[in-house]
Amino acid sequence: QVQLVQSGAEVKKPGASVKVSCNTSGYTFTRYGISWVRQAPGQGLEWMGWISGYNGNTNYAQKFQGRVTMTTDTSTSTAYLDLRSLRSDDTAVYFCTRDYYTSGSYYNPFWGQGTLVTVSS
Amino acid sequence: DIQMTQSPSSLSASVGDRVTITCRASQSINSFLNWYQQKPGQAPELLIHTASSLHSGVPSRFSGSGSGTDFTLTISGLQPEDFATYHCQQTSSTPYTFGQGTKLEIK
Repeated sequence: QVQLVQSGAEVKKPGASVKVSCNTSGYTFTRYGISWVRQAPGQGLEWMGWISGYNGNTNYAQKFQGRVTMTTDTSTSTAYLDLRSLRSDDTAVYFCTRDYYTSGSYYNPFWGQGTLVTVSS
Repeated sequence: DIQMTQSPSSLSASVGDRVTITCRASQSINSFLNWYQQKPGQAPELLIHTASSLHSGVPSRFSGSGSGTDFTLTISGLQPEDFATYHCQQTSSTPYTFGQGTKLEIK
């Protein structure tokens, strides 16, 4: 079965960087993309961007351009989210999610368990 | 960016009720609209994709409709496990924006 297992909670100081991993299994990694979605405490979901599992192409939300890097390691079927210059409003649970695309429809049937990133001085 | 607006933000209902949640897009998104359910402390779970297609394993009491800019999620015959937060998401164009969520609570 498809599984996405994320790395553990992180506490960072303002201005620091964080790297969250998403280890996948149960499917061919290079056939699907991974999106990253975050959720601030008590807030809604926010799409951060997408990376292709096939060739590493990325599509970042403009809000995060210049601060975010998404990468993959196909040898370990793992995706990574790197967020720099952290601010207190980056405190959130970060989810990785595997996509599914067919005939123009795009959706995310599989999600990681989430990684809490706390930014505090 | 396409703005997604859900209503209501919160809703109280009883077991057995029929409830409807709406989602409106700031421009036409055809049928590229997904619905997710999220329980406290858990990741979202896909309920409906492409506006009206029930995801595998999701009970038939959930249904979705709409196209263009206006969409609805209907739950017919609420069960105790349905009390959760519901999110819509457009996947017509990036960034794939979500609505602000609708919290469904027990009356």
